[in-house]
Amino acid sequence: GAVVSQHPSRVICKSGTSVKIECRSLDFQATTMFWYRQFPKKSLMLMATSNEGSKATYEQGVEKDKFLINHASLTLSTLTVTSAHPEDSSFYICSASLAGVLYNEQFFGPGTRLTVL
Amino acid sequence: AQSVAQPEDQVNVAEGNPLTVKCTYSVSGNPYLFWYVQYPNRGLQFLLKYITGDNLVKGSYGFEAEFNKSQTSFHLKKPSALVSDSALYFCAVRDGINAGNMLTFGGGTRLMVKP
Repeated sequence: GAVVSQHPSRVICKSGTSVKIECRSLDFQATTMFWYRQFPKKSLMLMATSNEGSKATYEQGVEKDKFLINHASLTLSTLTVTSAHPEDSSFYICSASLAGVLYNEQFFGPGTRLTVL
Repeated sequence: AQSVAQPEDQVNVAEGNPLTVKCTYSVSGNPYLFWYVQYPNRGLQFLLKYITGDNLVKGSYGFEAEFNKSQTSFHLKKPSALVSDSALYFCAVRDGINAGNMLTFGGGTRLMVKP
């Protein structure tokens, strides 16, 4: 159980276009989802925390108008990179959790490799 | 604020030898500590966690970690390393038991196990 999927696994796009990445919890309902960004050989940097049905909370330095996060249902969150630039190229990873004492870990998706040309 | 330090960028060990990947943490409340492993171009896989109870935690693939409150450490260990253990390892801490609280990751340690 506790499987999180991401789609697509890799995407290549042109500068100026928008790209949507989906994160799904396949066998549980995720009240909270997290979006991370990972640069090569670097750690994960939390971009934002999203709770189902409410606006995402962005970390300092993350442009909320550029990285649009939607968590419209308990099993799906989307990250849209708008007007993509080459410096947005990165590995994006989501995780999901069900808040509460019994569910005390985050489950990570396999990641999405974004390349902006 | 919470933070995690992994002092070694890379750890090299020969197959069959014991391995240790170090992690120290700082958190204002009770620490909830995690180890994850990442293979190339993959997401994170959960290895083990410390929430409460015994200081020695056993996890997946023969890994274990020891929680040391006085030294604020949570080092990852394995008695006998395998070549297939070569990967990137992340220590993470959460301040609070709620899974909705954010995780803070260390910088990662690359483990290289040589035949």
